[in-house]
Amino acid sequence: GESVGLHLPTLSVQEGDNSIINCAYSNSASDYFIWYKQESGKGPQFIIDIRSNMDKRQGQRVTVLLNKTVKHLSLQIAATQPGDSAVYFCAENMRSGAGSYQLTFGKGTKLSVIP
Amino acid sequence: DGGITQSPKYLFRKEGQNVTLSCEQNLNHDAMYWYRQDPGQGLRLIYYSQIVNDFQKGDIAEGYSVSREKKESFPLTVTSAQKNPTAFYLCASSIDLTRDYGYTFGSGTRLTVV
Repeated sequence: GESVGLHLPTLSVQEGDNSIINCAYSNSASDYFIWYKQESGKGPQFIIDIRSNMDKRQGQRVTVLLNKTVKHLSLQIAATQPGDSAVYFCAENMRSGAGSYQLTFGKGTKLSVIP
Repeated sequence: DGGITQSPKYLFRKEGQNVTLSCEQNLNHDAMYWYRQDPGQGLRLIYYSQIVNDFQKGDIAEGYSVSREKKESFPLTVTSAQKNPTAFYLCASSIDLTRDYGYTFGSGTRLTVV
C-alpha cells in the first residue's frame, strides 16, 4: 500500500486566506519530500521540496513544514489566489533495497479558491 | 528551454488496438518514468528506466510495454491486453535513480477507448 497519504481530499478557502494542506508519511527512512501542484489536464509541477535535515523551508508564498517525530508534512500557501486552485500532491523519496531512489505519491488534495 | 514533451495530448483507441504514447526529454536526465492517473487516485507507476536499453516494471505493468533505445525517448505502448486503458498518462524524468532528486513531468496524454 501507499506510505504517503493526505488527511483531507478537498479543501475550499476564501481568496486571500491562508491554505494548509497536510500529508502523512509512514517510512521514517524517507529523506526527501516534494510538493507538486497539478492543474486540470496538466502534468504536476514542482512547488517546493525539503530534506529530512530541515524542518521548515520557505518559497514564494509557500512554506513546507516537516515534523519527523510524527511523520507529517504540510504545505502552507499564503494569501491564496484563484490561480492556486489545483490538486496538490506530496511525494516522498525513499531509497530502495537495490540502492535506487523512487518517489511515492499521495492521492492528492483538491484546493478550491472561492473568489 | 529544457523539458519533457508528451504527444499526443489526446488519443482515442478502438477496442483491440495497440497505441503508442510518445515521451521525449532534452534535460539530459538518465531516468524516465511512466505513470497512470485515474480520477480520485494518485499516480501509479507503470514502467521506469534508469539507462538506455534497460527498463523495469512498476506496480501496474500488465498490458503495457516500453522501450528505451535513446536517452531522450521513452515511448509507452498500451496493448490490447490492457483491459481498462482509459486514463491520463504522465511521463517524468529525473537526473538518475541513485540520487534523491525530484521528477520533472510532461503535460500528459489523455487516452480514451472508443
